[in-house]
Amino acid sequence: DAGVIQSPRHEVTEMGQEVTLRCKPISGHNSLFWYRQTMMRGLELLIYFNNNVPIDDSGMPEDRFSAKMPNASFSTLKIQPSEPRDSAVYFCASTPNYSNQPQHFGDGTRLSIL
Amino acid sequence: KQEVTQIPAALSVPEGENLVLNCSFTDSAIYNLQWFRQDPGKGLTSLLLIQSSQREQTSGRLNASLDKSSGRSTLYIAASQPGDSATYLCAALNTGTASKLTFGTGTRLQVTL
Repeated sequence: DAGVIQSPRHEVTEMGQEVTLRCKPISGHNSLFWYRQTMMRGLELLIYFNNNVPIDDSGMPEDRFSAKMPNASFSTLKIQPSEPRDSAVYFCASTPNYSNQPQHFGDGTRLSIL
Repeated sequence: KQEVTQIPAALSVPEGENLVLNCSFTDSAIYNLQWFRQDPGKGLTSLLLIQSSQREQTSGRLNASLDKSSGRSTLYIAASQPGDSATYLCAALNTGTASKLTFGTGTRLQVTL
């Protein structure tokens, strides 16, 4: 059974460029989460979806960040324009339903903005 | 606003030792408390989930306890092995926040031979 799949695993790009991170949740999971992990701030929830609908995006740091979930098997997190302070590891996670189930995490995308 | 703290930040123990990792949270109105493991370069793996009505959960050599009134949870690892070396994170899910987990900053565990 495939887990949560994220791509790319690593991304290095220059400041100002558009960055798109991709996530395929576990089949049948209705909730999808995007997190950012840094040494300074730990693991932070950016946004989460339930049944493809964004439920809470209060963790999205700025308008430069946007996320979409066009269908149940795919989500993107986009940063435009990117800045060096966006450098972090971005994780996607999914769960069968709200709240009472453990979240299953992908291996993350390590993003470096030069 | 929920705040989750984990102490110690790092721990090194010899193989075979029993150990306890601590997690404290400021808001006791939680739905559940979750423990995760993170290996270097990897995502988080769920270890145990304790519902707010439960006192503890066990899985193999792992035992997690929850005391809501004092805002504490512990993860007990019995007979530690080098393969247990990883970062352990706890996370609290508050009532009324749907699926928003608040994570601690983790305890980095090293089990030496």
